[in-house]
Amino acid sequence: DIQMTQSPSSLSASVGDRVTITCRASQSISRYLNWYQQKPGKAPKLLIYAASTLQTGVPSRFSGSGIGTDFTLTISSLQPEDFATYYCQQSFSNLLTFGGGTKVEIK
Amino acid sequence: EVQLLESGGGLVQPGGSLRLSCAASGFTFSNYAMAWVRQAPGKGLEWVSAISGGGDSIYYADSVEGRFTISRDNSKNTLYLQMNSLRAEDTAVYYCAKAHTFCTSTSCYFDYWGQGILVTVSS
Repeated sequence: DIQMTQSPSSLSASVGDRVTITCRASQSISRYLNWYQQKPGKAPKLLIYAASTLQTGVPSRFSGSGIGTDFTLTISSLQPEDFATYYCQQSFSNLLTFGGGTKVEIK
Repeated sequence: EVQLLESGGGLVQPGGSLRLSCAASGFTFSNYAMAWVRQAPGKGLEWVSAISGGGDSIYYADSVEGRFTISRDNSKNTLYLQMNSLRAEDTAVYYCAKAHTFCTSTSCYFDYWGQGILVTVSS
């Protein structure tokens, strides 16, 4: 199975900060990398698919980049509603896998 | 409006069985792959299983292979997960999820999710 490793596992940031989360795959997955946001008690929400394509309705302050094994999710200016846990997910293999998550907390 | 509504969760003893259902509406169900994803209390997301729109392609995570069976009834717009030989580590909120419009296989990302249903395996 393809292992997905996210870092950091948590971070503290202030409103307006630029935040970057990384995701590393255990093997090359081309651009088959997706990002989700999850708030407590809620289902995950798709933010970005195919490494850099913004899902309809997602604010443009979210962006994704990367190819192969290394990917990043960037929030250009953190807003109060962005405090949540973020997960990457590979869709290269038939056996899908998620990263362990990155919790973004208020500083 | 796309809606996914899970049901069938609850408390079950180790070694027991449970069947989850996910009733779908608001889209042409048979055109889309579907999946089950779970989340143990306080933990991250774990993909469980996926099935193609026609039901002919099915995949399972190693952790549930041989114990869980995914299926779908396209005439009823419903996805199922039959869970047998349940273990304490299967305790989780189970989500059903719809493959994104642009996906052409079960290797996909998910644009709609249900609200989740709790399965607790305990004696």
